[in-house]
Amino acid sequence: EPEVTQTPSHQVTQMGQEVILRCVPISNHLYFYWYRQILGQKVEFLVSFYNNEISEKSEIFDDQFSVERPDGSNFTLKIRSTKLEDSAMYFCATRPGLAGVGEQFFGPGTRLTVL
Amino acid sequence: GEDVEQSLFLSVREGDSSVINCTYTDSSSTYLYWYKQEPGAGLQLLTYIFSNMDMKQDQRLTVLLNKKDKHLSLRIADTQTGDSAIYFCAESEWNNFNKFYFGSGTKLNVKP
Repeated sequence: EPEVTQTPSHQVTQMGQEVILRCVPISNHLYFYWYRQILGQKVEFLVSFYNNEISEKSEIFDDQFSVERPDGSNFTLKIRSTKLEDSAMYFCATRPGLAGVGEQFFGPGTRLTVL
Repeated sequence: GEDVEQSLFLSVREGDSSVINCTYTDSSSTYLYWYKQEPGAGLQLLTYIFSNMDMKQDQRLTVLLNKKDKHLSLRIADTQTGDSAIYFCAESEWNNFNKFYFGSGTKLNVKP
């Protein structure tokens, strides 16, 4: 069964460094999402992406964050100048299309630790 | 923005029923979802209900929606140890699947 994959599974970085989190969506899925979950807190929506542009973003998704799909396969989340409070689990999710209920398919997540 | 709240933990014995509760704030038409997350895996959709329904049953799973109180529950009959996982409640607007709101997840522990 096709699945969403994410790399790396765990990333440790120093405060102020840039990180890139990678996601490989299920092929022929058209809608892509990033979420994060700080330990013990809610899964928070960050951004949705369709047709090579951002569809919607939350207040969390400020200029520190960016997304792109550089090669038509990987979907990346870049976090510039990481802060301690960026430490969280980051989930990628994808969805096939507009029709039907908005079922999303999630990857296993990348745990980001900022020291 | 919309808010989704869940209790953090639930512990039951194998064979008992589990009831996981969720409250939400959106008053417009909406889809409500239950996702399951097993250790090391992503969230997986279990079931969903549209806000014009009161109940939905799917094998051992029963979803109840009290729209007046904005309360959603997931009942798992005959709970098994394999049901141990984190269960997330989520909602989206019926015509906007660009944005979803999740709770913090309820960790279900099933004791043998």
